[in-house]
Amino acid sequence: GNSVTQMEGPVTLSEEAFLTINCTYTATGYPSLFWYVQYPGEGLQLLLKATKADDKGSNKGFEATYRKETTSFHLEKGSVQVSDSAVYFCALSAPAYNNNDMRFGAGTRLTVKP
Amino acid sequence: DAGVTQSPTHLIKTRGQQVTLRCSPKSGHDTVSWYQQALGQGPQFIFQYYEEEERQRGNFPDRFSGHQFPNYSSELNVNALLLGDSALYLCASSLLAGALNQPQHFGDGTRLSIL
Repeated sequence: GNSVTQMEGPVTLSEEAFLTINCTYTATGYPSLFWYVQYPGEGLQLLLKATKADDKGSNKGFEATYRKETTSFHLEKGSVQVSDSAVYFCALSAPAYNNNDMRFGAGTRLTVKP
Repeated sequence: DAGVTQSPTHLIKTRGQQVTLRCSPKSGHDTVSWYQQALGQGPQFIFQYYEEEERQRGNFPDRFSGHQFPNYSSELNVNALLLGDSALYLCASSLLAGALNQPQHFGDGTRLSIL
């Protein structure tokens, strides 16, 4: 079945450090891929998305590239800030045109220290 | 433009009781999905409603049921509550629009605690 595996946390970085959170997926067909962020006490907010191979999603300095050959969608940011501290979820919906079968990874907690 | 709203914010119940959670979708959205998020885990898909019918269901028992109203709002009902039902319940709305790959928009959730 469809599934997402993301790197286990927690991840602790100093401000301005480089961030990578790994995400790999298993899916039939051609899924859409997403990164969501969850701040304490809140629901999930869409951070970025990519809907086909080689697409790069980007938002607020975060980027992720849809790599079909490695079935990956790693999240990166060149310089993290304290305000980026949150839990990050990789997710997929498949088939790509049908967003009712959304699968999430277990989440990676990021803490950024000043 | 109001986003997805859920009520109540927090709820405490005891084992065996029944609970109803409510969700109003983002304006313009016609599809509502429900998720269960246990502590430290990612959201797990419960079911989705469109045109007042359950469109797809995840791996949850029949104790979990739902409803969608003509105004697209939705309810999640859980009967015979178990301790393991303690979780954050998230509602997400979207527009069922074919190949547009519409992302789901989430509410802040209802924190359900079972004593």
